[in-house]
Amino acid sequence: AQSVTQPDIHITVSEGASLELRCNYSYGATPYLFWYVQSPGQGLQLLLKYFSGDTLVQGIKGFEAEFKRSQSSFNLRKPSVHWSDAAEYFCAVTIQGAQKLVFGQGTRLTINP
Amino acid sequence: GAVVSQHPSRVICKSGTSVKIECRSLDFQATTMFWYRQFPKKSLMLMATSNEGSKATYEQGVEKDKFLINHASLTLSTLTVTSAHPEDSSFYICSARQGASTEAFFGQGTRLTVV
Repeated sequence: AQSVTQPDIHITVSEGASLELRCNYSYGATPYLFWYVQSPGQGLQLLLKYFSGDTLVQGIKGFEAEFKRSQSSFNLRKPSVHWSDAAEYFCAVTIQGAQKLVFGQGTRLTINP
Repeated sequence: GAVVSQHPSRVICKSGTSVKIECRSLDFQATTMFWYRQFPKKSLMLMATSNEGSKATYEQGVEKDKFLINHASLTLSTLTVTSAHPEDSSFYICSARQGASTEAFFGQGTRLTVV
């Protein structure tokens, strides 16, 4: 069955530290991959996406993600986090021709001052 | 980028009444719209997918008679929670997609509280 796993439910990092949020997927076909961020009580904002081509993609707010087919992963990274990055992060996957996105469980990011 | 506007952002209704949530695509034609429900500190659960002019396709376990979805135009879809009960209290989010595009854009969400 198609699935998306975000192994870390909650991560805490210090402001200025580097960040990596993990995402693994299980899909039979070539996936289209997304990372979204959600602030409390808000909708989802797209950070970045991967469809094809360069496996390292750059997004907004200084985020990047790398698609590793051999590991079925699409981890999100940021070299130096800011307090405003505290939010919930969702990885999502779909395939070409599919109607819907499948979301991971989400990772809540807390930033220590 | 494309903008999806969801209204209202918050609504409180009495148990047994119905409430309508609107989802509008402001600068593109949304041929497909999706409705999600999100429980506190949980991921998004897809409720239904609607294509403009067609009946919505509901996910397993979602009551179609309780959650009425209308997608009568290319810029508007509505979700009506009928005979709402406290257990329907949740955060509802819509998203919209144009044509064969794989990318969907999300509304701001609606916090429904049934008292």
